[in-house]
Parts: sequence; structure tokens; C-alpha cells
Amino acid sequence: AQKITQTQPGMFVQEKEAVTLDCTYDTSDPSYGLFWYKQPSSGEMIFLIYQGSYDQQNATEGRYSLNFQKARKSANLVISASQLGDSAMYFCAMRGYGGATNKLIFGTGTLLAVQP
Amino acid sequence: EAGVVQSPRYKIIEKKQPVAFWCNPISGHNTLYWYRQNLGQGPELLIRYENEEAVDDSQLPKDRFSAERLKGVDSTLKIQPAELGDSAVYLCASSFGNTIYFGEGSWLTVV
Repeated sequence: AQKITQTQPGMFVQEKEAVTLDCTYDTSDPSYGLFWYKQPSSGEMIFLIYQGSYDQQNATEGRYSLNFQKARKSANLVISASQLGDSAMYFCAMRGYGGATNKLIFGTGTLLAVQP
Repeated sequence: EAGVVQSPRYKIIEKKQPVAFWCNPISGHNTLYWYRQNLGQGPELLIRYENEEAVDDSQLPKDRFSAERLKGVDSTLKIQPAELGDSAVYLCASSFGNTIYFGEGSWLTVV
């Protein structure tokens, strides 16, 4: 069975500081993808970054980077130089590419608050 | 390029009434998803379409929920009759390849 675990219900960070949001996963699929989404209070689920299980390098998208440690089954999101607009709910998600498991499952989310 | 479009954005209905949500995916995306997100939780898949075919509807409560995707483009999710526990955000998403993009969601309140 697939599972995503986010152990931090909430996080505080000072503006301009970096923050790491934790995510661990469990899957039996040999091939899978890991995603991070941002959900502000408006409700829209905004795609941030993607990491494939066979990608050799950690994914980066602007201020977002994904610290992928396959052996530990972790896919932490690092946000550099936090901004006030980064305050939102962040979800880690996984998609297995094994036929029946080809769907996106989510963790319970981490609420990030950026303080001025 | 337009994103995933959903309507209505907000809906308040009395229990036992019907409700329908509409989704227009990103052009060219053959995979469409409906997710339900309860307050304080992550989204959970209700149904996944590959073109017109529903390939995963195992989580859809079929006694009251129905969905269709005619012509493999737009999709409609219906609840009839609605119950108090159906209050949630209903998210539509589409994909072509690895990345899955979501719409803004339809917020349903059943009173």
C-alpha cells in the first residue's frame, strides 16, 4: 500500500529564512513520482515541484528544491528565502506508476506561517 | 494557457438536495481526476478518467455520487441527494504526463 506521512502539522519561519518541510513515503512500486503542492486559503492546489524516482538529481524550481533521499524514502521540500506570500498549507503527494496505483495520494499537510 | 476551470466556486444547499459540479481540464490533458478534500485533510481521489473511460472509481460512493466525462473533455460530478457529511471542497485535476494540475475547487456546504 502507498502512504505519505507529513509529521509537522505546523511550522513557523522568519521572512527571508529557509525552511524544510518533511515528507516520508512508502510504496511497493519500483517507479513513482513525488510532488509538492501549495494550498493557500483560497483553496487552489498549486503545483510546486516534481521528483521522479529514477531522477539522478534533486529537483529545483526557483526557490523550491526537493531533497530526495531514496534509501530513506524521504522527499523534503526546502523553501529558500521565505516570503510572506509563502504562508499556506503544503502537501506532499506521491503517484505510483504501477497500473492500479496510478493515482496521486496526499499527506495530511503542513501549515507554514511566515513571520515578518 | 488556461488552467483547470471549475464551477461553481461556492455552493450552499440543504440536505437531500442535488448538486452538480463542472470541470473543464487543460486542453490536451487526457486524464481527469475528481478529488474530495475534507477540512484539515489532504485530498482523496473519487474518480479518475482516461479520456472517456472511468478507470478508477473505487472510492466513489456510487449510491449518491455519479460522474461523467462525455467526449473525453469536460466532466460533471453529481451528488443526489446530498448529506451533511458531503460538505467539502471538490477538486478537479488533469494531467498529460507526470504533472497533475488542479483547479480552484468547488466549496460545498450542506446545511
